[in-house]
Amino acid sequence: AQSVTQPDIHITVSEGASLELRCNYSYGATPYLFWYVQSPGQGLQLLLKYFSGDTLVQGIKGFEAEFKRSQSSFNLRKPSVHWSDAAEYFCAVGSRSNDYKLSFGAGTTVTVRA
Amino acid sequence: ETGVTQSPTHLIKTRGQQVTLRCSSQSGHNTVSWYQQALGQGPQFIFQYYREEENGRGNFPPRFSGLQFPNYSSELNVNALELDDSALYLCAMGGSYEQYFGPGTRLTVT
Repeated sequence: AQSVTQPDIHITVSEGASLELRCNYSYGATPYLFWYVQSPGQGLQLLLKYFSGDTLVQGIKGFEAEFKRSQSSFNLRKPSVHWSDAAEYFCAVGSRSNDYKLSFGAGTTVTVRA
Repeated sequence: ETGVTQSPTHLIKTRGQQVTLRCSSQSGHNTVSWYQQALGQGPQFIFQYYREEENGRGNFPPRFSGLQFPNYSSELNVNALELDDSALYLCAMGGSYEQYFGPGTRLTVT
């Protein structure tokens, strides 16, 4: 079975500082990995995805993530946070063998202070 | 803007009642998935439909059922509502490489 762990429930970061959100997955085969962002009362917006190839993935809004198979991790990073980045972030794993059904982590809430 | 719409936006029902939630897309995606997101949690997979057939189900009882129509729009039906069914229900269209999520329907069961 596939699963995702996001160890940090809540992170507070100053505007302009860097941000890193952790994600660990469990899956036997090659996973497809995703990061989504959800603003209050909204649906999910895809930030970036990894299927294969280059392990450093660039996404929208200046986000990037690095796939590390040896650590079963897919951490999300942003060099300089903007106040509009305050939201909830979800890591998700899927696979071709599971018809791309997604398993999500519990999420990390990001607060940005001025 | 994903082009996936859901209706209604909000809904309040009483325990024991039945509810139907709807999902549609401007683009013809042949796969639709439904997720339940309880407050403070990540979305949980309910089931997926591919070309009008159920294509996998998560750990949800049979009172959660669905339909996919020839135009690829979809319904989620929940019978005998329970208080724990209160959640945001998300549909996602598209399969393989990317799923496009709708804004969700907020269901409150009292």
